[in-house]
Amino acid sequence: DAGVIQSPRHEVTEMGQEVTLRCKPISGHNSLFWYRQTMMRGLELLIYFNNNVPIDDSGMPEDRFSAKMPNASFSTLKIQPSEPRDSAVYFCASSGTGREKLFFGSGTQLSVL
Amino acid sequence: DAKTTQPPSMDCAEGRAANLPCNHSTISGNEYVYWYRQIHSQGPQYIIHGLKNNETNEMASLIITEDRKSSTLILPHATLRDTAVYYCIAHYGGATNKLIFGTGTLLAVQP
Repeated sequence: DAGVIQSPRHEVTEMGQEVTLRCKPISGHNSLFWYRQTMMRGLELLIYFNNNVPIDDSGMPEDRFSAKMPNASFSTLKIQPSEPRDSAVYFCASSGTGREKLFFGSGTQLSVL
Repeated sequence: DAKTTQPPSMDCAEGRAANLPCNHSTISGNEYVYWYRQIHSQGPQYIIHGLKNNETNEMASLIITEDRKSSTLILPHATLRDTAVYYCIAHYGGATNKLIFGTGTLLAVQP
């Protein structure tokens, strides 16, 4: 298996633009997680899905952020409009049920100018 | 999930054992202890987890005290590639693996 695949690896955009991050989880995994990492705040859980359904989005910072999982093999995290403070590394992770380990993607480095 | 406390940083000589401590004094009986690590600019990587018995795998050993209030992750022969931030997490699990990461311990393996 290729693991969790995220795209793009790097994204540079200007303030006010829409940004879409993409994630393909490991086949057969039914849980998907979006994390954000910054120096100031560390690794923060934004939202997670079970069986394509959003379960907890309490970590989503504000209405500018939205996430979808239209099917078991694809998820997106959208920021509209983007702001400089959104600059961070965004990780996607997937796992099976229960206490199975999380597998993380390589992350998307987002820079909003 | 119970709060965990880890030292912010540690050094270890290459080839020696690295012993990373974690305190979780408020852990409940059904919470597991998980360890992940994050090598610079990569996503976190699972290492090991356990409930109350000591655990060992190809990467590390996990020693949990009898009262379960603390644990130690042991890398038996640290290499330069083990330099990373190590996260200790107490988590029940159940229907989902929603893990909350703290600040972890930066382990620097010195040549």
